[in-house]
Amino acid sequence: SAVISQKPSRDICQRGTSLTIQCQVDSQVTMMFWYRQQPGQSLTLIATANQGSEATYESGFVIDKFPISRPNLTFSTLTVSNMSPEDSSIYLCSGRQGSRGETQYFGPGTRLLVL
Amino acid sequence: TQLLEQSPQFLSIQEGENLTVYCNSSSVFSSLQWYRQEPGEGPVLLVTVVTGGEVKKLKRLTFQFGDARKDSSLHITAAQPGDTGLYLCAGSHTSGTYIYIFGTGTRLKVLA
Repeated sequence: SAVISQKPSRDICQRGTSLTIQCQVDSQVTMMFWYRQQPGQSLTLIATANQGSEATYESGFVIDKFPISRPNLTFSTLTVSNMSPEDSSIYLCSGRQGSRGETQYFGPGTRLLVL
Repeated sequence: TQLLEQSPQFLSIQEGENLTVYCNSSSVFSSLQWYRQEPGEGPVLLVTVVTGGEVKKLKRLTFQFGDARKDSSLHITAAQPGDTGLYLCAGSHTSGTYIYIFGTGTRLKVLA
C-alpha cells in the first residue's frame, strides 16, 4: 500500500501568481499522476509525472501553465502558473502500484481558491 | 469528452434500502475500477474488474462488469450512513496502461 500526502492542503491566492503543490509518497510507485476536481464532481487527468523527464500532458493542459517535476520515485510537484479564478479547484496527486499498475492511491487533495 | 456516464447523478435513500449505481460507455474497457470519495479526502479504490461478466463482492457491495466490457454496476445491499460519499467509476482502454478515465460520479447520501 501507499500513503500519499500533499502540501499545502488549501490556499487562497491572488490572480496572476503561481502556486507549487508538493506530493510525497511513503513508498515507491510505478506511476504518478495529477488530477483536477471541482468539488463534488469527477476527476480530470492533467498529466502523468515522469521520473527524470518531462511530464505527459492530457489534451487541454500545457506545460507552461502546469509545470510538473518528478525528481525521484516518491516525490512530485505541480505548479499552477499565472493563476486566474478559473483555476480554482481541488488538485489531487495519485500513484499506482502493482505489476500492471492496478492499484491507485490518492492524496487528500489541495483546495485552491484564486481571487 | 466524458466517456463514462454514471447514473443516477444523485441518490438519497434511507438506511437499510438497496441501491444500484450504473456506469455506461460506448467504448470497450480493458479494466474498470470503482472508487468512493468522502469530503476532504481523495478517492479510495474499492475494486478492479477485468473480465467481461465478472462479479466481485466486497461485504455489502457487489460489482459487475458487463459482458461486452462497456458498462458496470455497483449494487449496495442494506445501505448504511457510512456508505455516504461520491462513487466514481474509472475505465482503462488499453491493457497494461496506467491511464484511467473517470466517470461523471454518483453522489450517495444514506439517511439514518
